[in-house]
Amino acid sequence: GAGVSQSPSNKVTEKGKDVELRCDPISGHTALYWYRQSLGQGLEFLIYFQGNSAPDKSGLPSDRFSAERTGGSVSTLTIQRTQQEDSAVYLCASSPSEVGSYEQYFGPGTRLTVT
Amino acid sequence: EDKVVQSPLSLVVHEGDTVTLNCSYEVTNFRSLLWYKQEKKAPTFLFMLTSSGIEKKSGRLSSILDKKELFSILNITATQTGDSAVYLCAQNTDKLIFGTGTRLQVFP
Repeated sequence: GAGVSQSPSNKVTEKGKDVELRCDPISGHTALYWYRQSLGQGLEFLIYFQGNSAPDKSGLPSDRFSAERTGGSVSTLTIQRTQQEDSAVYLCASSPSEVGSYEQYFGPGTRLTVT
Repeated sequence: EDKVVQSPLSLVVHEGDTVTLNCSYEVTNFRSLLWYKQEKKAPTFLFMLTSSGIEKKSGRLSSILDKKELFSILNITATQTGDSAVYLCAQNTDKLIFGTGTRLQVFP
C-alpha cells in the first residue's frame, strides 16, 4: 500500500478484555513507532522498533501494554485487561531508515473505547 | 526530560489573515524539529527542520528553526478555512516528542 495502515479503525471493548491493534508500515520502512492520543491531549510516545527490536519501551504506560514486530514489517500492540483510561486513539508511524533522521508518516489510527 | 511547548494554545482568525505559531523545545540528542497538521486522526507531515536560519516553504506555509534560542515558528499567510486544524510541533530525537499543539480556526 501507499501509506501506513492500521486495523481495526475502531474498537469497542469491555473493561478487562484484551485487545490487539495492528499496524502495517510503508513498505521498506525500517523504523516503526506507536503513539497514543487521549481526548484533548497531545500525542504520547509509547514504543518504537528499529527492525524487529525495540530499544526504547519507556513510553509503555504499564506492564499491561506490550508490542512486537515480526519480519521487520507488521507490528501489533497488545493491551491486556483493558481499563477505561486506555480509551484513546492509537497511532502508528513509520520512517524509512535511521531512527530520528527522517520524518515519520502516520497511519489513520485505531480509536479504542473501553466501556 | 525533553519538553516541547507550543503557543498559542488556540487561535481564531478570519480568512486572509496571517498567523504565526510558536514552538520551543529543550535539547538533548536533538536531530530535527518537525511540524504536522492534524485535522482528524492522522497527523500529516508539513516540514522537517535541521539547520538554523534556513526557511522551508510550501505554498502559503513556511517555517524556520533557531537552534541557538531553541525555537521554531510556522507561518501561514492568506489563511483559508481549510487551514483549520491542530498544528503539532515535535522534537525528533530517537522518537518524536510532541507539544500539545495549537488549534487554529479560520472563519470566512
